[in-house]
This record gives sequence, C-alpha cells and structure tokens, in this order.
Amino acid sequence: QKEVEQDPGPLSVPEGAIVSLNCTYSNSAFQYFMWYRQYSRKGPELLMYTYSSGNKEDGRFTAQVDKSSKYISLFIRDSQPSDSATYLCAMSANYGQNFVFGPGTRLSVLP
Amino acid sequence: EPEVTQTPSHQVTQMGQEVILRCVPISNHLYFYWYRQILGQKVEFLVSFYNNEISEKSEIFDDQFSVERPDGSNFTLKIRSTKLEDSAMYFCASDRGVGEQYFGPGTRLTVT
Repeated sequence: QKEVEQDPGPLSVPEGAIVSLNCTYSNSAFQYFMWYRQYSRKGPELLMYTYSSGNKEDGRFTAQVDKSSKYISLFIRDSQPSDSATYLCAMSANYGQNFVFGPGTRLSVLP
Repeated sequence: EPEVTQTPSHQVTQMGQEVILRCVPISNHLYFYWYRQILGQKVEFLVSFYNNEISEKSEIFDDQFSVERPDGSNFTLKIRSTKLEDSAMYFCASDRGVGEQYFGPGTRLTVT
C-alpha cells in the first residue's frame, strides 16, 4: 500500500460547481496536513494547512481531516476556471520533518 | 508578502558535471528543505536542514548530493556528478517551525 494515495483524476467540472478532492494515507503518525495547488511547471502553492483532525475554512476552500479513517478532503466552492491546476495533498508526522506528497489530482474547471 | 526564491530557473548541464542550485528561504524561517519532481511524477523529499545541519534525508539523497547554508541567507543544493536521471524540477521550501512549508518556484535541471 502506498503511503499517500489520491484520486487520480483528471477531474472536469463546470464553473460554479463544488469540487471535492480526497487523499487517504496509511501512516497513523501523520498529524500535519497540507493542500497545495500546482500550476504546470510551477512550484506548489500552499492553500490550506490543518493540524490533527477537524475542519478549516478559508474563503472558498474547506479542508477536512478524519484521522480515524486516515482520510483528508479539500472542498472548493463556486469553482472558477482559474482553479484549474493539479492539487497535491501532503502530510508529515512533525513540523520540521519532510512532507510525503500524494501524486496529485488534475482539475479542470470549464467556463 | 515574503516568498522563497530560487536561482537559476533553468539549468542545463552535461552528465558528470557539478551543479549548484540556489535558494533564498523566507527570512525568519528555521527549517529548510529540498524536494524534487521528475516530470509527470510526484514531489519527492530529498533533505531537510535545521540549525546548520541535516536533520533528515531520503534514500535519493546519496553521496552525490550535499547542502549548505553558506551565509545565513542562501541555502544551496550541490550535485557533484550529475546523471541523466537527475533531470527534474528541484524545489526549495522553508518553514518557520509550525508545520507550514512554503515552496519556491523551482529550478528545472536538464542533464544531457
């Protein structure tokens, strides 16, 4: 079993749709969870950061962590064409330690 | 807004040559990292650096690789003798110690 798995996509949605992106993981020691957005040939851009379980909201983005199920989600409301990118989940056991990344989900939001 | 910067944006080198990739982390950050991403593949951890020493490294980070923080602001990754399979995007990241890692724009390394 891979350490971090992510819905492969690609995912195409119409503008304005609610998007749900998900990752599962196997290491129960993970407690720092990130979502990054990556445009083609660019660096990952930090979107959301969550420590331990729970929900966090920032504008159109909501991150959820369910440590009991080893499952994290990112929801994007009112999706825009500019949201078209690859979304990466990443996680680590402690700050200062490396992140383990998922393979990414490519999202296309169609006008 | 402070950001991580990297130079050069693109480096082309011949197999067997040494390359140095440079990064300027965000100024009050304490932890520094190098990751790489081979085209079409996932981001992979190489090394983390804290308090002027390596704190963790992956299997990829073998004796051909080294890191240095020569002057308190720059953070460098050196590859001593490049191989074709070292061709990738190399990302530097920094963290102020609360778990949020901010990435630079990357250096695209092409080994011919």
